[in-house]
Amino acid sequence: DARVTQTPRHKVTEMGQEVTMRCQPILGHNTVFWYRQTMMQGLELLAYFRNRAPLDDSGMPKDRFSAEMPDATLATLKIQPSEPRDSAVYFCASGLTGSGYGYTFGSGTRLTVV
Amino acid sequence: SQQGEEDPQALSIQEGENATMNCSYKTSINNLQWYRQNSGRGLVHLILIRSNEREKHSGRLRVTLDTSKKSSSLLITASRAADTASYFCATDKKGGSEKLVFGKGTKLTVNP
Repeated sequence: DARVTQTPRHKVTEMGQEVTMRCQPILGHNTVFWYRQTMMQGLELLAYFRNRAPLDDSGMPKDRFSAEMPDATLATLKIQPSEPRDSAVYFCASGLTGSGYGYTFGSGTRLTVV
Repeated sequence: SQQGEEDPQALSIQEGENATMNCSYKTSINNLQWYRQNSGRGLVHLILIRSNEREKHSGRLRVTLDTSKKSSSLLITASRAADTASYFCATDKKGGSEKLVFGKGTKLTVNP
């Protein structure tokens, strides 16, 4: 089965450090989402791309977060500088618009900022 | 803010019983999707129902959609211990470029 690959699976970093999370979407999918999951807030949509173009990043704190899709095989989410409140699980999901098959999620990156 | 809200927040049943989870949403949608998440894992897509559909089945899953009440339900029949997971509804708002927004989920525990 095709899968969405996220790296790293776990990341522990000190406050103030830059964090980069990577996602390899499924080949042929044209839509990529980034979500953050915490117990308190649930699943929050941070950003999403269609055909590599950013469509909406209104859920992302712009001063420290950035999301890019340099090519069709890679999406990145960066936090600089990181803060303890950024500790969460970050998920990437990809899918094909209008296919009716929903989206495939990666296993997530569990980020801990100390 | 969350578009979809699941109810109940938690549900505990015995193996073999049916489990029903509900989802309410606020605005018109193109489609509504249900996902499952096992502890510590990513979400898995279960079923998608379009706004012009009223009911859909997939194996032991049955999803209904009532657009007049802006609500959906997910029924799992003859539940198994392996169905223990959190279940989320997600909505694709009409005119929203297929932006998928999730509710906070229902935590289902199926006791053997």
